[in-house]
Amino acid sequence: EPEVTQTPSHQVTQMGQEVILRCVPISNHLYFYWYRQILGQKVEFLVSFYNNEISEKSEIFDDQFSVERPDGSNFTLKIRSTKLEDSAMYFCASMREQGAGGYTFGSGTRLTVV
Amino acid sequence: QQPVQSPQAVILREGEDAVINCSSSKALYSVHWYRQKHGEAPVFLMILLKGGEQKGHEKISASFNEKKQQSSLYLTASQLSYSGTYFCGTDWAGANNLFFGTGTRLTVIP
Repeated sequence: EPEVTQTPSHQVTQMGQEVILRCVPISNHLYFYWYRQILGQKVEFLVSFYNNEISEKSEIFDDQFSVERPDGSNFTLKIRSTKLEDSAMYFCASMREQGAGGYTFGSGTRLTVV
Repeated sequence: QQPVQSPQAVILREGEDAVINCSSSKALYSVHWYRQKHGEAPVFLMILLKGGEQKGHEKISASFNEKKQQSSLYLTASQLSYSGTYFCGTDWAGANNLFFGTGTRLTVIP
């Protein structure tokens, strides 16, 4: 069964540092997403990416966040200057086409900002 | 934009049935249902497109009432493996992302 792969599984960083979270979506999927989940809470939308550009982003996804798909396989989320409240589980997800199935989520990166 | 789920939590004995509801204030294009076990990623269960259809997945099925902007997930003859948090995800025409509901924690006990 194809998987979405995320690395690292855990990341601890100091406040103000930059972090890059990496994802390898399923190869024939066309839509890519980043979501985050603060412990025990709801899954929050950050950004969607299609055809090599951002298609939608939430109010959480401010100037400190950016996404890239540098080489056609990896999909990265960068947080430029981390804040304590960025601590959460970050999930990457991909989908083949709209309306034909659901999202396949990666196993997540647990980010802890200290 | 975020759909509302009810109940927030439910405890069942093995073999019992449950219904989880998901309501949106916006007209929906589709509804997704996911199950998340503790410490794991959400796993896709099923998608319902507008049209009032009902779908099934083993003993788990769902309906979508477009007019009421609601979906319900039905779990029958629950098994221990059904325990987890269930999320609905909703989108609308032109949107390219899901907004997930508040979640329903389901615990099945022997």
